[in-house]
Amino acid sequence: EVQLVESGGGLVQPGGSLRLSCAASGFTLSNHWMTWVRQAPGKGLEWVANIKEDGSAKYYVDSVKGRFTISRDNAKNSLYLQMNSLRAEDTAVYFCARVAAAGRGLDLWGQGTLVTVSS
Amino acid sequence: DLQMTQSPSSVSASVGDRVTITCRASQGISPWLAWYQQKPGKAPNLLIYAASNLQSGVPSRFSGSGSGTDFTLTISSLQPEDFASYYCLQTHTFPFTFGPGTRVDVK
Repeated sequence: EVQLVESGGGLVQPGGSLRLSCAASGFTLSNHWMTWVRQAPGKGLEWVANIKEDGSAKYYVDSVKGRFTISRDNAKNSLYLQMNSLRAEDTAVYFCARVAAAGRGLDLWGQGTLVTVSS
Repeated sequence: DLQMTQSPSSVSASVGDRVTITCRASQGISPWLAWYQQKPGKAPNLLIYAASNLQSGVPSRFSGSGSGTDFTLTISSLQPEDFASYYCLQTHTFPFTFGPGTRVDVK
């Protein structure tokens, strides 16, 4: 089955760290750019980061630059988001998503994992 | 950064109604605009990519149009399963940006 499954969310104190994982199955991860998108409770969608097929290019929204790092291990069919110096405003459901092909949108999404930053 | 606006923010409609949602970019982004549907507690679902291309498996009552800075998502005849939130996403320039969303609810 073609799917993405996120894990690693949870409750963390402000200033803490968390590493999210996204396990891909049913397709060849190395053929796709990948994306992290988040959604704060009751709010809209926010694009967080993208990573190129081979990991050689990475892009971030300004609010997470210097704090979050997107990475991938194609051999393990996995995508990651290392989140450091977490703030209350990072509280959200985090989705990983597959970029279908250039300009063809995010065609496959995980179910999301909740990150709560609170003392 | 490139900004996206979306209107209306919410719309009340009935089954069978024609619903139109508009997305406007702060600069030209053709054709790198996609539309997503999201139901509560679920991941978004891709409806339209590259402004006007229907994603495989999406009902033909959904259509997209537009170019430059102005884009439209149309639901030709609203069905019960279409009550949801809708978002546009520009992938022309990093950072990618979503529109603020449109909620379609029951009139």
